[in-house]
Amino acid sequence: DIQMTQSPSSLSASIGDRVTIACRASQNIGSHLNWYQQKPGKAPELLIYAADKLQSGVPLRFSGGGSGTDFTLTISSLRPEDVATYYCQQSYSTVMCTFGQGTKLEI
Amino acid sequence: QLQLQESGPGLVKPSETLSLTCTVSGDSISSSNSYWAWIRQSSGMGLEWIGTLYYSGNIYYNPSLKSRLTISVDTSKSQVSLSLRSVTAADTSVYFCARGNYREGAFDVWGQGTLVTVSS
Repeated sequence: DIQMTQSPSSLSASIGDRVTIACRASQNIGSHLNWYQQKPGKAPELLIYAADKLQSGVPLRFSGGGSGTDFTLTISSLRPEDVATYYCQQSYSTVMCTFGQGTKLEI
Repeated sequence: QLQLQESGPGLVKPSETLSLTCTVSGDSISSSNSYWAWIRQSSGMGLEWIGTLYYSGNIYYNPSLKSRLTISVDTSKSQVSLSLRSVTAADTSVYFCARGNYREGAFDVWGQGTLVTVSS
């Protein structure tokens, strides 16, 4: 199985900060990495697919990067509505989908 | 606009079977662009993949649940179903269905989720 490890597990930042969340895969997954945002009581929403492609309707302050085993999600200037938990997910294996453990972002 | 709606009992007794359906509207459940997944989340915890049904008909299950799990599709009703047998309190979770988009390789549409509690 491909394990996904996110860091940090939680993060506190200020409005306007640049925030970066990391995700590491246990093996090379190419660019098959997606990022989701989940707000309390809500379903996750897709932010980034294929490592660096912004989902339609997602604000431009969100960006993704990386390939192989190491990936990042960056928020260029943090806004209050970005308070959420963020998850990475590998889509390299069609047999077994795995998510990272999540990163809780607070203001 | 594609929408997914989970439904089923909110309370299931231990050792019984948890059965949920996901009703798809706004697009064909048989679309070659789509695959369908169940994902769950225990209170305060992360996302746990349950299983995926692909357009080819192949179904893949989380190995930790495979022996108790069946995912199926009813195209006439535009529904994807989940059946989890011999449940315990550890199966108490919010259950989500999600659409996978082949072009993006990601889950781009999610249902709102439904809470299932396992308790006597």
